[in-house]
Order: sequence, then structure tokens, then C-alpha cells
Amino acid sequence: EAGVAQSPRYKIIEKRQSVAFWCNPISGHATLYWYQQILGQGPKLLIQFQNNGVVDDSQLPKDRFSAERLKGVDSTLKIQPAKLEDSAVYLCASSLERSVSYNEQFFGPGTRLTVL
Amino acid sequence: AQSVTQPDIHITVSEGASLELRCNYSYGATPYLFWYVQSPGQGLQLLLKYFSGDTLVQGIKGFEAEFKRSQSSFNLRKPSVHWSDAAEYFCAVGERGGADGLTFGKGTHLIIQP
Repeated sequence: EAGVAQSPRYKIIEKRQSVAFWCNPISGHATLYWYQQILGQGPKLLIQFQNNGVVDDSQLPKDRFSAERLKGVDSTLKIQPAKLEDSAVYLCASSLERSVSYNEQFFGPGTRLTVL
Repeated sequence: AQSVTQPDIHITVSEGASLELRCNYSYGATPYLFWYVQSPGQGLQLLLKYFSGDTLVQGIKGFEAEFKRSQSSFNLRKPSVHWSDAAEYFCAVGERGGADGLTFGKGTHLIIQP
């Protein structure tokens, strides 16, 4: 079974530029998550989708970050404009569904963003 | 709000020695608890999880963890470490009732000495 795919794996941009990351979850997984992992810290949830609807985006800096999951499959995370503090690894994860019984989250390899 | 504390930023262990990584959590009810491992350039891999029942849980790669409600702890252990265990280890907590976003600790970097 193919895992969670992310691209690009690495991205270097200048501050104030825009950038987009792409995630393809495991086939059949209804729930998709984007996490931000700053160097030396654990991942922090940015946004969670159930199919193409947003479940939780309370920690997403909405003035500059946006995310969408059209058709309930692939997802894109965009930053516009980027700041130096956005340098981090952006992890995508997916799980079967959001239900009363837990479904394991499977993580992709991440996209490492460097903002200069 | 839930939170996770991993008191040790770095731990160095000799190959073949035993290992214990500490994790303390803050949560109002009985949480879902997890340990993940992250190797350089790799995504997070689930080692084990605790939901309820037996407080000693077994995971992959010979790891185990013990849930202690009185101490709000969920420490990870391994009787004998291998050089391939060198990695970053994260403890995480999730809310009961669904596969919602996890709250992670800052991680412990495990170094294995030959």
C-alpha cells in the first residue's frame, strides 16, 4: 500500500514570496492533517480536514496560510507571504476517518521549507 | 488545554543498554497516548499507543510503555537498544472520541554509543 505522498521535499524561498505544498493521502483515507514542525520542536497541528470539510483550523495563521482539499482527496497548503519564522518541516498525515474509535494517523516524509 | 512534556532533550545510551524516555502529559480526562519515532529525513512512525485497559503496552521494534495515571506519565522503555534506534522520539496526546489532531512534546534525541 502506498503511503502519504508529499511534494516538493525541499523548498527555499525569499521572505515575502509565496509557496505551496501538495499532499496525496493514502487511498480511502477521509481525514487529512497538516502539521508544522519547527526545528527542535514537535509537530503542531495547523489544519484538519474530514473529506473536503475543515474540522479544525484553530492554529492556522489565516492571515498568511491557506489550505484546501478539493474533491476530498489531495490537499494543498499555501503560505503567502512567507516570513522567516515559517521555516519548518510541513508534515501531512491521513487516517481512515474521524470516528469514536481511533484510526491511526500515517505521516508523509514532509516538505522542508527554508525562508531566507 | 492538553500538553505534553518530554523533560530530556538529549539522551545518550550505550548499545545494548536499557532505555527509558520520559513523558508527562496534561489532560482533563483519560487521553489517547502515543509514542512516535522520527529518523532523519523520514516521516513519523507510530511505535505504540495507549487507549485503555492494560497499562503496559507493547509496540514495534521491542519498545514498550507504561501508563501511570497517578503520575500523568507514559514513559517509553526498551531493554536493550541497537544502533539503529538512534532517532528523535516524540510523545503525543490525543483527545478521546476521535482521530483528531495530536499534541506533541518537543521530542527526545536518542544517541547510541558503540
